[in-house]
Amino acid sequence: AQKVTQAQTEISVVEKEDVTLDCVYETRDTTYYLFWYKQPPSGELVFLIRRNSFDEQNEISGRYSWNFQKSTSSFNFTITASQVVDSAVYFCALSDQTGANNLFFGTGTRLTVIP
Amino acid sequence: DTEVTQTPKHLVMGMTNKKSLKCEQHMGHRAMYWYKQKAKKPPELMFVYSYEKLSINESVPSRFSPECPNSSLLNLHLHALQPEDSALYLCASRLGLAGDYEQYFGPGTRLTVT
Repeated sequence: AQKVTQAQTEISVVEKEDVTLDCVYETRDTTYYLFWYKQPPSGELVFLIRRNSFDEQNEISGRYSWNFQKSTSSFNFTITASQVVDSAVYFCALSDQTGANNLFFGTGTRLTVIP
Repeated sequence: DTEVTQTPKHLVMGMTNKKSLKCEQHMGHRAMYWYKQKAKKPPELMFVYSYEKLSINESVPSRFSPECPNSSLLNLHLHALQPEDSALYLCASRLGLAGDYEQYFGPGTRLTVT
């Protein structure tokens, strides 16, 4: 069974602080994909990153970075020098290996960046 | 262009009304999805279409009726809804069902059933 756990329900940081959002997953598949999506108050889910299970390289995109560790089944997301516009709910998701590649979402972490 | 559009943005309907939600994408994606999201919860999958055919129905009540008239368009017809159906309805698309691709989401329709 697929499961994604985001233990942090809500996080508040002051602008310019760094913040890490945790994501732990469970799967029996040997090939799988992990995702992060951002959902601002407007409601749209914005795709941030996709990582497949064979690629454990960390990735950096501007102020965003992701740390994928298969040994601990974690795919953590760090925002450096946070900004007010980063305030949103962030979802980590796992896709299965059935034909539909359905997304299994974690419960989300609400990040509030205080100016 | 990674845009998925949804109309209307907001919808208020009575329990006896019939209404439709519309979703459109012009990215050439062949898989399209409907999700329901309640407040402070993650999205829940409702339906999946692949090449305009219904692929997955996650045991959704028949008062929700999906339709995919062509590869760019996805509708969700609503009839005799209940107040507990009030939620954000999200549409998404993907290049195909199989393969290493992400889903792109629309801005959603906020539905209130009175």
